[in-house]
Amino acid sequence: GAGVSQTPSNKVTEKGKYVELRCDPISGHTALYWYRQSLGQGPEFLIYFQGTGAADDSGLPNDRFFAVRPEGSVSTLKIQRTERGDSAVYLCASSSYQGPEAFFGQGTRLTVV
Amino acid sequence: QQQVKQSPQSLIVQKGGISIINCAYENTAFDYFPWYQQFPGKGPALLIAIRPDVSEKKEGRFTISFNKSAKQFSLHIMDSQPGDSATYFCAAIQPQGAQKLVFGQGTRLTINP
Repeated sequence: GAGVSQTPSNKVTEKGKYVELRCDPISGHTALYWYRQSLGQGPEFLIYFQGTGAADDSGLPNDRFFAVRPEGSVSTLKIQRTERGDSAVYLCASSSYQGPEAFFGQGTRLTVV
Repeated sequence: QQQVKQSPQSLIVQKGGISIINCAYENTAFDYFPWYQQFPGKGPALLIAIRPDVSEKKEGRFTISFNKSAKQFSLHIMDSQPGDSATYFCAAIQPQGAQKLVFGQGTRLTINP
C-alpha cells in the first residue's frame, strides 16, 4: 500500500476483554514499530520488529501486551484483560533498512470502558 | 526520566509570523533528530530532520537549528499559516539497536488568521 494502514480506526471494549490491533506497513519496509500515545503526550515506544522477530520489546508495559509479525509484514498488537488505563491511541510505524525515517499510520484509538 | 524536553507546551502566533519550538536532549548518543507534525485524528508525519554534524537545515518555510554543545535544537516556521496549526513533536534516535524514536511532549501550535 501507499502508506501504513491500521485497523480498526477506533475500538471500544469492556474492561477485562481481549483486543487485537492490526498494522499493515509500507511494502518492503523491514522495520516495524508500535507506539502508544496518551492524550496530550508524545508517542511512547512499545516494541520493534526487524523482519519477523521482536528485536526490542522493552517498552511493553506488562505481560498483558504482546505483538507478533509472523510473515515479516503485517503485525498484530494483542492486549489481554484490558484495563481502563490502556485507553490510548496505538500507533504503528515502519521504516526501510536504508534509513531511520519512520512513517506512521493514523493510529487505532482504543477506549476501555 | 524525560530524555527529550520540549517547550513551549502551547503557542499562538499571528499569520505571517515566525513560530519557534525548542527542544533539549540529554543523551549524547542521539544522532538523528526529526520533527513530526500531527493533526487531530491523524498519525505523526515526518516534517524535517537533522543530524548533529550540521548546524542548520532548511526546507521551504521550515528550518531546524541545531546546537550540539548545548544539546538543543529548535524548529522555526517562517511566514506561519493557519494550515500550520497542529501539534509538533521533536524526537531523537540512537544509532544502535532498534533506532526507536524518543519524543518530546509536544507543542500545540495555533496560527491566528
